[in-house]
Amino acid sequence: ETGVTQSPTHLIKTRGQQVTLRCSSQSGHNTVSWYQQALGQGPQFIFQYYREEENGRGNFPPRFSGLQFPNYSSELNVNALELDDSALYLCASSSGTAYNSPLHFGNGTRLTVT
Amino acid sequence: QKEVEQNSGPLSVPEGAIASLNCTYSDRVSQSFFWYRQYSGKSPELIMSIYSNGDKEDGRFTAQLNKASQYVSLLIRDSQPSDSATYLCAVGNNDMRFGAGTRLTVKP
Repeated sequence: ETGVTQSPTHLIKTRGQQVTLRCSSQSGHNTVSWYQQALGQGPQFIFQYYREEENGRGNFPPRFSGLQFPNYSSELNVNALELDDSALYLCASSSGTAYNSPLHFGNGTRLTVT
Repeated sequence: QKEVEQNSGPLSVPEGAIASLNCTYSDRVSQSFFWYRQYSGKSPELIMSIYSNGDKEDGRFTAQLNKASQYVSLLIRDSQPSDSATYLCAVGNNDMRFGAGTRLTVKP
């Protein structure tokens, strides 16, 4: 069984730039969720994708956008980066859209915005 | 009021003791409840899930759910130094919300 993989592991960007983070879901999982985790905080829900469509969104501005591909892999795009976007970005896969399925997390992408 | 609140910690217990971690949630219609463990610099990993009122045991871990009180807890028996981590409570309804976590240190 292949777990959730994320790339890159670390990334440094400048304020105002754009970034794309990638995630491959665990085999057998068709749903991908993205979370932002600031230092010392719990993960904050950004959005979820199911069958290539956004299926739920947290309190994040439109400059946070995503995609899901037919193979269930996903991308998180962040435009016009701000210093406060510096965080660990976690991708999690699950089966089905109901929020009663456990999430399986990747190792995360550490984004630093300078 | 935060949607998912955990005792702020940090919590320190001696090796072999019982560690008790608590979580309350605000959305009364929440359906699913999870405990995740996160080691420093790592991603969260699932420890327990619970969906019905009462206790659920898995090895040294026991999750307790009381929907009337909107309260879920995790007990760790015979705590080991390897249990030292941040424990995250997550509540599922229209999405999955996490608490800020409680840092647990188990001292040898």
